[in-house]
Amino acid sequence: GAGVSQSPSNKVTEKGKDVELRCDPISGHTALYWYRQSLGQGLEFLIYFQGNSAPDKSGLPSDRFSAERTGGSVSTLTIQRTQQEDSAVYLCASSFFLVGDSQYFGPGTRLLVL
Amino acid sequence: KNEVEQSPQNLTAQEGEFITINCSYSVGISALHWLQQHPGGGIVSLFMLSSGKKKHGRLIATINIQEKHSSLHITASHPRDSAVYICAVSRTQGGSEKLVFGKGTKLTVNP
Repeated sequence: GAGVSQSPSNKVTEKGKDVELRCDPISGHTALYWYRQSLGQGLEFLIYFQGNSAPDKSGLPSDRFSAERTGGSVSTLTIQRTQQEDSAVYLCASSFFLVGDSQYFGPGTRLLVL
Repeated sequence: KNEVEQSPQNLTAQEGEFITINCSYSVGISALHWLQQHPGGGIVSLFMLSSGKKKHGRLIATINIQEKHSSLHITASHPRDSAVYICAVSRTQGGSEKLVFGKGTKLTVNP
């Protein structure tokens, strides 16, 4: 496809379950970013990848959150033992280069933890 | 104090009005971004600026690096411009980059 895609678009899960969110960046984009937007809150940076490596994981809220990227393309964000406060929209973006390039956002995954 | 401050938080305008949204930041940046988030949640990157001014249709973005300030202008506003406009700055530290976001400005343009 032409844009960034994310799946699933919506996810409802029970507290304590693990969830996996997927991001397919624009082909050729080397940088990939994960953000979170909680209800009524602004966007929050979680992690970014340059290729397959993640130089900056400082935004991950806790050790229950992890992310990986394989083949310099698809990325997955995993949340273990979900909590209700994890409910948010998780957004992925990609850009051609890491520094100073426009980011293209995916449609997001709406996560609801019951 | 947030690193990125936007004003106003909410803005209501009549169709046709000229609109200005302001963004101030307190840190060194490599670039500043203006994003648009529609009610459905989708985010579109409008501009990326490191200096001067950019124009795209009815949208104009300016940045003053010395004053650490940027403005987003919308000329001849239209109801379809109703959205949340988000200012974000790119910070580069030690070769890594992250975006720091303002809280957004909710714009409503009435017909």
